Amino acid sequence: EIVLTQSPGTLSLSPGERATLSCRASLSVSNDLAWYQQKPGQAPRLLIYGASSRATGIPDRFSGSGSGTDFTLTISRLEPEDFAVYYCQQYGPSRTFGQGTKVEIK
Amino acid sequence: QVHLVQSGAEVKQPGASVQVSCEASGYIFSSYEIHWVRQAPGQRLEWMGWINGGDGSTKISQRFQGRVTITRDTSATTAYMQLNSLKSEDTAMYYCARDPVAAYAAFDVWGQGTTVTVSS
Repeated sequence: EIVLTQSPGTLSLSPGERATLSCRASLSVSNDLAWYQQKPGQAPRLLIYGASSRATGIPDRFSGSGSGTDFTLTISRLEPEDFAVYYCQQYGPSRTFGQGTKVEIK
Repeated sequence: QVHLVQSGAEVKQPGASVQVSCEASGYIFSSYEIHWVRQAPGQRLEWMGWINGGDGSTKISQRFQGRVTITRDTSATTAYMQLNSLKSEDTAMYYCARDPVAAYAAFDVWGQGTTVTVSS
């Protein structure tokens, strides 16, 4: 099973600041990696697929990069609605998720 | 508009079984797989398995093999996940989500979630 490790566990930032989230895979996943946002009491929402492609309706302040084993999600300027938990997922034959990074208001 | 609508919350005793449904609308059911993902309180998302909406083939995560069955009813455009021999550790939110058949892809649409509580 491919293990995904996200860092940091928690990111404390202010609105308007830049957020950089990391996801590392235990084996190469090529670019079969997605990022999701989850708010309390809600289902996850797809942000990024194919490591760098934005899903429909996702603002361009969200961007993804990386391939192989190292990936990054960047939120260029945090809006109040961006404070949430973010998960990476690899979507090979057996999907796995990272443990999440919480982006909280400083 | 594409929707996945799940059945309501369940409370079960240890050792019992639970079945959660996921009704799809707004797209061609047979063109997508329905996946099941669970999230225990404070824990990461955990993939459980999928069913092909077209031919009904399934793949179950090794962790759940022998305990999880996934089925579908094409006439009702509904997928079902049954989890047997429930334990307290199965208390979680259970989600369904879709991705295209015969493609490894991200989950672009999710159900609203179903809470399953296992308690004596």
